[in-house]
Amino acid sequence: ETGVTQSPTHLIKTRGQQVTLRCSSQSGHNTVSWYQQALGQGPQFIFQYYREEENGRGNFPPRFSGLQFPNYSSELNVNALELDDSALYLCASSLKTGSTGNTIYFGEGSWLTVV
Amino acid sequence: AQSVTQLDSQVPVFEEAPVELRCNYSSSVSVYLFWYVQYPNQGLQLLLKYLSGSTLVKGINGFEAEFNKSQTSFHLRKPSVHISDTAEYFCAVTATGGGNKLTFGTGTQLKVEL
Repeated sequence: ETGVTQSPTHLIKTRGQQVTLRCSSQSGHNTVSWYQQALGQGPQFIFQYYREEENGRGNFPPRFSGLQFPNYSSELNVNALELDDSALYLCASSLKTGSTGNTIYFGEGSWLTVV
Repeated sequence: AQSVTQLDSQVPVFEEAPVELRCNYSSSVSVYLFWYVQYPNQGLQLLLKYLSGSTLVKGINGFEAEFNKSQTSFHLRKPSVHISDTAEYFCAVTATGGGNKLTFGTGTQLKVEL
């Protein structure tokens, strides 16, 4: 139990639709990151939020966007869904104290299938 | 930028045998290194991490890893595996000033057989 909860756990969307995934980070953690894990692959960094501001982005198009709320929970939004967006989306929280290396806690993920 | 190579996509091993899962990384700056385990239909769990100090790092569930800077490797080992160790194992790296943005390898599926 990592204290990071994600919803929904599974969902199916149609190509072209939009999806919102939610994450509740571990208590006290002010940094949240999102990763995409395609089948048979390692997770890939999408973006990170720190104190409600985007703090780094991976190689993902602008139709991937996010939000972090004052309580440090977070959303990942994907517009104009494509078949290749089918993947496990992982949320990770950590406490950013200025020192990289703090333990990162992952949620169990949201499985997105685009048909 | 950093990259991680896990050369073995699958490693079959008999129960109670030793195992080594290989990880090599590439980076132009100093890095921190991690091993995560993923059980079926679950998220990632941290096994161990190397930040500084002793190059031999001990983690949970009897796993350990050794950081070798000259060979840019961070191989994971366990002297005696159990059926319950069957899972996917991911090596990950982040720059020391990288703000915890992890770059993962493609994973190694460890299958422990009786």
